[in-house]
Order: sequence, then structure tokens, then C-alpha cells
Amino acid sequence: EVQLVETGGGLIQPGGSLRLSCAASGFTVSSNYMSWVRQAPGKGLEWVSVIYSGGSTYYADSVKGRFTISRDNSKNTLYLQMNSLRAEDTAVYYCAKTDDYGDYVNYWGQGTLVTVSS
Amino acid sequence: QLVLTQSPSASASLGASVKLTCTLSSGHSSYAIAWHQQQPEKGPRYLMKLNSDGSHSKGDGIPDRFSGSSSGAERYLTISSLQSEDEADYYCQTWGTDWVFGGGTKLTVL
Repeated sequence: EVQLVETGGGLIQPGGSLRLSCAASGFTVSSNYMSWVRQAPGKGLEWVSVIYSGGSTYYADSVKGRFTISRDNSKNTLYLQMNSLRAEDTAVYYCAKTDDYGDYVNYWGQGTLVTVSS
Repeated sequence: QLVLTQSPSASASLGASVKLTCTLSSGHSSYAIAWHQQQPEKGPRYLMKLNSDGSHSKGDGIPDRFSGSSSGAERYLTISSLQSEDEADYYCQTWGTDWVFGGGTKLTVL
């Protein structure tokens, strides 16, 4: 059974940094395309970043240069390093496994809340 | 520009059927999409991938009450025999150079 468990969210001041983790089970992270998707309070879903099985990474323009997606194959875990955080980064962050081509999400985590506020 | 448009809200009675629509922007009518359900205070759940010809493949454990169909640039999600737990937000998603999500439809079961 595929499971995705996010941790690492919390309250952080503007300009601060935070690292989110997503522990995966039931499949191998390094063999799949993995993404982060976020949802601001009361808003819709917004794609944040993807890492391909080959290691290539891509980011939404809104986070490019500030966020870094990575994985630890030995821990079967996905990460999102978030730097220079802004109030508009406040959201629930979901870890997502995609189909074999990286086209769409086929499994979601339960999410972790990041609040950027002074 | 690749855009998905959804009506903000829909409603239907318990036990009835409802058809939700996701519209692809001009020039993108051949694109496949995915449908996702988000129940209140929960993370999203993948429902199905829906191709332009109406063929679809559902996620694990998705009931037969959920089905998809297509017509031109429109992609539909039909839920039959509505149950109270179907009250949720429904999002469509597609992919090009980036992923794109529709704004979501809030379904109320009366």
C-alpha cells in the first residue's frame, strides 16, 4: 500500500527557512516522479516542484530560486527545503507521487501546514 | 496558455446524480486530465485519469459510482447515487510544461 507522510511544517517568521520531509512506503521514491503541491488557506491547489526519477528538478516561478526539492534514496524520503519564506508561502504542503510519466498525481499525502508570519 | 476552468459550485440531492465539468482552454482540447476529490479538512484523493476520447482509469478503491467522459474541450466527472461523503471539492488537473489545476468545484449534497 502506498503511503506518504509529511512532516516539518510549523510557524516561521518571514525570511526564515524550513525543511519539509515526506516519508514514503509501498514504493521506491527514487524510481518515481515526485512532487510538492500546496494549498493556501481557503484556496485551490498549486503545483510547487517536481523531481524526476533521473534527478532533474523543476519549480513553479513563484518559488524558483528559494525552494529546493531533493530526495534521500536510503531513507525513501522526499524533501522540500524552503528558504526566504514569505507570507504568501503560507499553505498546506502536500507530497505527491505521480504516474510513470510525471503527468498527474496518483497518490497524495495528508499535508503539513506552513505558516509564515511575524 | 493552458488553463482549466471549473464552476465554483454545484449541488444535487442525496441518491441523485451530478455531472461536474472541467473545460480546457482553446487549443488544448486533446489534453487528458486527472480528477481529484478533497473532502472537508482532508488531503486530496486521486479519482481518475480521463483521456480526450472519454476512456478513463480510476485510482485504487474508487467506487463504480464515479465515472468520466469527454466532449471536445470539456471533461466531465459524473457521480451517481450521491452519498453524503461525496460532499467535497473536486479539482481537475492537467499537464504541459507545468502542472495546471482548475479552481475547483464545491459539491453540496442536499
